[in-house]
Amino acid sequence: QKEVEQNSGPLSVPEGAIASLNCTYSDRGSQSFFWYRQYSGKSPELIMFIYSNGDKEDGRFTAQLNKASQYVSLLIRDSQPSDSATYLCAVYRPGRRALTFGSGTRLQVQP
Amino acid sequence: KAGVTQTPRYLIKTRGQQVTLSCSPISGHRSVSWYQQTPGQGLQFLFEYFSETQRNKGNFPGRFSGRQFSNSRSEMNVSTLELGDSALYLCASSSSDRNTEAFFGQGTRLTVV
Repeated sequence: QKEVEQNSGPLSVPEGAIASLNCTYSDRGSQSFFWYRQYSGKSPELIMFIYSNGDKEDGRFTAQLNKASQYVSLLIRDSQPSDSATYLCAVYRPGRRALTFGSGTRLQVQP
Repeated sequence: KAGVTQTPRYLIKTRGQQVTLSCSPISGHRSVSWYQQTPGQGLQFLFEYFSETQRNKGNFPGRFSGRQFSNSRSEMNVSTLELGDSALYLCASSSSDRNTEAFFGQGTRLTVV
């Protein structure tokens, strides 16, 4: 079992719809959770982070964390074609001092 | 505020050679981590430095090494290059010693021929 699992996609949504990206992790000691966006040929860009159970909203993005279920999600409202990218979920466990990444979900927003 | 700067952006090396990559973190950030990204393995952790000390190392052979200087700039070195070392090498910096909220540089694309 991979430490961080994501559906590789592609996840295809129409412009203006809500895109829902999911991530599960296996290490219950994980403390911090991150979503990165990576365009083809570019480096990952941090778009959201969440440390506590519940929802965290930032503009069109909402991160959701459920530690009991070991589940993190990212919602993108009013999806735009410019949101088309690979979204990487990453978790951090103290003591390891490293981010563990999922393999990423490719999102395609259709105009 | 300047972001994370990695140099060079692109490198082509021959098998058996060695290479040194450089990373300048965001000003004030003391933690620098290195990652390798390949299509098959995704993003994998190489090592992390904080205040010139390597605090953790990923599961890579000893050919991969690094260091951090007193100004927090970091270098990584790969000796005896293999074809499989072709990858995007990414450096990330964070402000705290808990490696939270890590910001990546643009990466160095290494091609080994």
